[in-house]
Amino acid sequence: KNEVEQSPQNLTAQEGEFITINCSYSVGISALHWLQQHPGGGIVSLFMLSSGKKKHGRLIATINIQEKHSSLHITASHPRDSAVYICAVEAGGGADGLTFGKGTHLIIQP
Amino acid sequence: ETGVTQSPTHLIKTRGQQVTLRCSSQSGHNTVSWYQQALGQGPQFIFQYYREEENGRGNFPPRFSGLQFPNYSSELNVNALELDDSALYLCASSYDGGYGYTFGSGTRLTVV
Repeated sequence: KNEVEQSPQNLTAQEGEFITINCSYSVGISALHWLQQHPGGGIVSLFMLSSGKKKHGRLIATINIQEKHSSLHITASHPRDSAVYICAVEAGGGADGLTFGKGTHLIIQP
Repeated sequence: ETGVTQSPTHLIKTRGQQVTLRCSSQSGHNTVSWYQQALGQGPQFIFQYYREEENGRGNFPPRFSGLQFPNYSSELNVNALELDDSALYLCASSYDGGYGYTFGSGTRLTVV
């Protein structure tokens, strides 16, 4: 069973700061997902990674398969980035669903 | 292209009752998975349906059951509700169980 650990659990930063959220997992995976959850509960998929690096706007996600580690970066953070960011992993085939971390609660203050 | 729609958005039930939650998958997606998210926790995998068959299940008792219909919409049924079943229930659809997931906004179930 894969264990997914995220750090930090809570992060408060000032607008404009560079944000890094980390995720580590214990067992080999076929893909890693970064997700965003707002207070209403809905989850938005940000990235799906199996290797390397992806960038979308101010968001960058990287993964190191050998070290079983991924990072999500937010550049020029803004109060609208405030949300819970969740890392989730899936094994090959996907029939075991996603295994989620507990999430990082990010607050960006103006 | 529509997203994933869940209904109802909120629900209050009494312990011992039965509940049915519904999920309409994104157009073109043939796989749906259900998750339970307790307050302050990450979602936990309940089960997954692929082309109307359950093809994966997490550590949940048999009183959690589901269906997937030919149009790939899905139901989650929970019998004999317990107080600990109070949670946000999320469904996610995908194509062939991979290539990314689209999540619904969830159903918040409160058992009293």
